[in-house]
Amino acid sequence: QVQLVQSGAEVKKPGASVKVSCKTSGYTFTSYAMHWVRQAPGQRPEWMGWINTATGGTEYSRKVQDRVSITRDTSASAAYMDLDSLRSEDTAIYYCATIAGRTVYWGRGTLVTVSS
Amino acid sequence: DIQMTQSPSTLSASVGDRVTITCRVSQSINNWLAWYQQKPGKAPKYLIYRASSLESGVPSRFSGSGSGTEFTLTISSLQPDDFATYYCQQYNSYSPWTFGQGTKVEIK
Repeated sequence: QVQLVQSGAEVKKPGASVKVSCKTSGYTFTSYAMHWVRQAPGQRPEWMGWINTATGGTEYSRKVQDRVSITRDTSASAAYMDLDSLRSEDTAIYYCATIAGRTVYWGRGTLVTVSS
Repeated sequence: DIQMTQSPSTLSASVGDRVTITCRVSQSINNWLAWYQQKPGKAPKYLIYRASSLESGVPSRFSGSGSGTEFTLTISSLQPDDFATYYCQQYNSYSPWTFGQGTKVEIK
């Protein structure tokens, strides 16, 4: 079965960077795009960007495009999301998600807390 | 950017009630619309895909309808486990996603 396993919670200081990993199994990694979504406390989910896992091409939301980088390692069937210059408003749960066939699969989320 | 307007933002209902949530989209999305249920501290749970198809394992009291730019999620008989927040989402593999602002279903 399709599984997306994310890395553990992070606590970062303002100005630092964070890298969240998403390791997949149960399907051919390069067959489907990988999206990243975050959700701040009490807010709706916010789409951040996606990567074409076959080609490495990316697209980012305008809100974070200057600070985010999504990459993949096809040999590890994993995707990564880097976010730089962290601010308190980046405190959120970060999810990877993919549409495999008819279903949207989500990772369980990674809590990133930005606090001095 | 595609905008999504979900209504109502809060809904008070009783067990057994029929509940309807609406999602309006700023442009046609070819029915690439999903509905999710989310409970506190949990990832969104996928309920409906392609506007009206029920995800495997989801109770049949949930249904989705609509086309073009207006879509609805209906719960035919609200159960205690259904009190949660619901989101609509426009999605496609190779383009940005957008979410509605959410509808919190509360106990009346």
